[in-house]
Amino acid sequence: QSALTQPASVSGSPGQSITISCTGTSSDVGGYNYVSWSRQHPGEAPKLMIYEVSNRPSGVPDRFSGSKSGNTASLTISGLQAEDEADYYCSSYTSSSTWVFGGGTKVTVL
Amino acid sequence: QVQLVESGGGVVQPGRSLRLSCAASGFTFRAYAMHWVRQAPGKGLEWLAFISYDGGTKYYAGSVRGRFTISRDSSKNTVYLQMNSLRAEDTALYYCARDLSERYTFDYWGQGTLITVSS
Repeated sequence: QSALTQPASVSGSPGQSITISCTGTSSDVGGYNYVSWSRQHPGEAPKLMIYEVSNRPSGVPDRFSGSKSGNTASLTISGLQAEDEADYYCSSYTSSSTWVFGGGTKVTVL
Repeated sequence: QVQLVESGGGVVQPGRSLRLSCAASGFTFRAYAMHWVRQAPGKGLEWLAFISYDGGTKYYAGSVRGRFTISRDSSKNTVYLQMNSLRAEDTALYYCARDLSERYTFDYWGQGTLITVSS
């Protein structure tokens, strides 16, 4: 199972919006609404930010939103804040009853 | 609050075995499926294994199938990862994560335990 494809880095200024893409295949992202996004600050464990494409766990600000079109999912962060600077990983359930992650995207707040 | 604490990491020679443990607390362990995920130094996340809430269903990534075995002991609120025939490329921080029931994702993570495979 190949990793999902994410851009290596995305940057934006405070208050701006950024979007991170996550491209897979019809066997993972395109085949199921089981795409998630996790945020990882340096030296910390990942934290779930979005599940089932667009659902936010309790406590996650509504600045974070998710969507999907075909084999590509997206995470949008609106009103970018300094604390949003981190690595972001998408993940998807697959037709092989496994899970696959994206390579990760480093978000930089300028 | 949900807590997951991994242990069992360390330095091990290539070809040897190691067993990781993940002690869970703050939730009804026997009701949740669990995962193991690893992260090589400076690299991204790699999913490794899944075990259902009752231990009856297990799935593995192709990179570890046949070498790694996931198991659980609900009397001890602990999930395990038995790792055999370790290779240098298995060097990573190993996380256990709770499965968000029927949502096919990982809602809580431990802090990880580091495995270094080196002679």
